[in-house]
Amino acid sequence: QVQLVQSGAEVKKPGASVKVSCKASGYTFTSYYMHWVRQAPGQGLEWMGIINPSDTSTSYAQKFQGRVTMTRDTSTSTVYMELSSLRSEDTAVYYCARRRTGRHDAFDIWGQGTMVTVSS
Amino acid sequence: DIQMTQSPSSLSASVGDRVTITCRASQSISSYLNWYQQRPGKAPKLLIYAASSLQSGVPSRFSGSGSGTDFTLTISSLQPEDFATYYCQHTYSTPIVFGQGTRLEIK
Repeated sequence: QVQLVQSGAEVKKPGASVKVSCKASGYTFTSYYMHWVRQAPGQGLEWMGIINPSDTSTSYAQKFQGRVTMTRDTSTSTVYMELSSLRSEDTAVYYCARRRTGRHDAFDIWGQGTMVTVSS
Repeated sequence: DIQMTQSPSSLSASVGDRVTITCRASQSISSYLNWYQQRPGKAPKLLIYAASSLQSGVPSRFSGSGSGTDFTLTISSLQPEDFATYYCQHTYSTPIVFGQGTRLEIK
């Protein structure tokens, strides 16, 4: 079945970087864009950016420009989200989510989420 | 950036009730509006895309309507598993923005 499986929880110190993986299965990896969304504890959903696994093109939210990098590995059908210069406000659950096909963008398949805790 | 405002922020209702949640965009987004359900500790789930299209596998008691700036999500007859938080989201342009969420609680 179609699924996205993310890497496990991370604890990082302020100033460090974190790299979260999202392994896709059950569909043609390069045919679907992938979004990244985060959710701070008790808060709402925040869009971070999107990657096209076919050509590696990306678009990032202005808030994360310069700190976020999204990449992919077609040999393992995995996309990655790396966030640098971590601060306590980056403590959140990070989700990958597949863009549905068609004219209207929507996030039809989600990973289970990866908790990233930033603490000294 | 386009802002999304949901109302109410929280809502108490009973099993069998009809419930409506509203989402307003700060400018016209045509029908580029989606609705998600999130249960505690779980990833969001797509319910409605393109304002009124029901995602495959989602029960028909969920429906969406609207275009331009004003949208609604309606649950025709609440079931116990529907008590969750609901988010609207626009995908008209980047940055993609979600509403702040509506928490639906059992009365």
